[in-house]
Amino acid sequence: SYVLTQPPSVSVAPGQTARITCGGNNIGSKRVHWYQHKPGQAPVVVVYEDIDRPSGIPERFSGSNSGNTATLTISRVEAGDEADYYCQVWDRSNDHPYVVFGGGTKVTVL
Amino acid sequence: QVQLVESGGGVVQPGGSLRLSCAASGFSFSTYGMHWVRQAPGKGLQWVAVIWYDGSEMYYGDSVKGRFSISRDNSKNTLYLQMNSLRVEDTAVYYCARRYCSGGICHLDYWGQGTLVIVSS
Repeated sequence: SYVLTQPPSVSVAPGQTARITCGGNNIGSKRVHWYQHKPGQAPVVVVYEDIDRPSGIPERFSGSNSGNTATLTISRVEAGDEADYYCQVWDRSNDHPYVVFGGGTKVTVL
Repeated sequence: QVQLVESGGGVVQPGGSLRLSCAASGFSFSTYGMHWVRQAPGKGLQWVAVIWYDGSEMYYGDSVKGRFSISRDNSKNTLYLQMNSLRVEDTAVYYCARRYCSGGICHLDYWGQGTLVIVSS
């Protein structure tokens, strides 16, 4: 089955840039989606299809995807960005589609 | 606005059964596929199952295949997850989420707040 690898944690000072990577075999050939999840709340999609942002998500959130690594970049980090972030793709096995999540990255704002 | 409200969680013994529900509102439920996703304590998100908008296709994660069954009632705007032969490792918060597709590419665009299932003797 397809595996997505994320760093367990990323720490960043307010106002700086956080980069969260998501590694997978030839992930550049897939479309990657990113979710923000705060404790006790519903997950929220912050980037979909590699680079697109839903309405209401600040431009500070951006994505890229190439080769074996997709990246979520959070610019000008704010305290409210502290959360767990998950990448996600679709894959197929025995002609059956399934959803794959990365292990998640905890973003800590110092 | 889109709302997804899960219910039916609780404490159940290993080997037992439980049925979760997800009440949808604020959108045309019968035109969207739906997912169940779970999060065990201290762990990350794990995909459980998906059902197509009309119930014609269902797919499951390996850890629940053969034990869980996803279904829907479009007349009631409700999604279900029937969980049988429950194990301690099924303990988790269970979320329902809407499947949004554009140009053949799909993601989970709205999620509920989740319902907690505890499997314990």
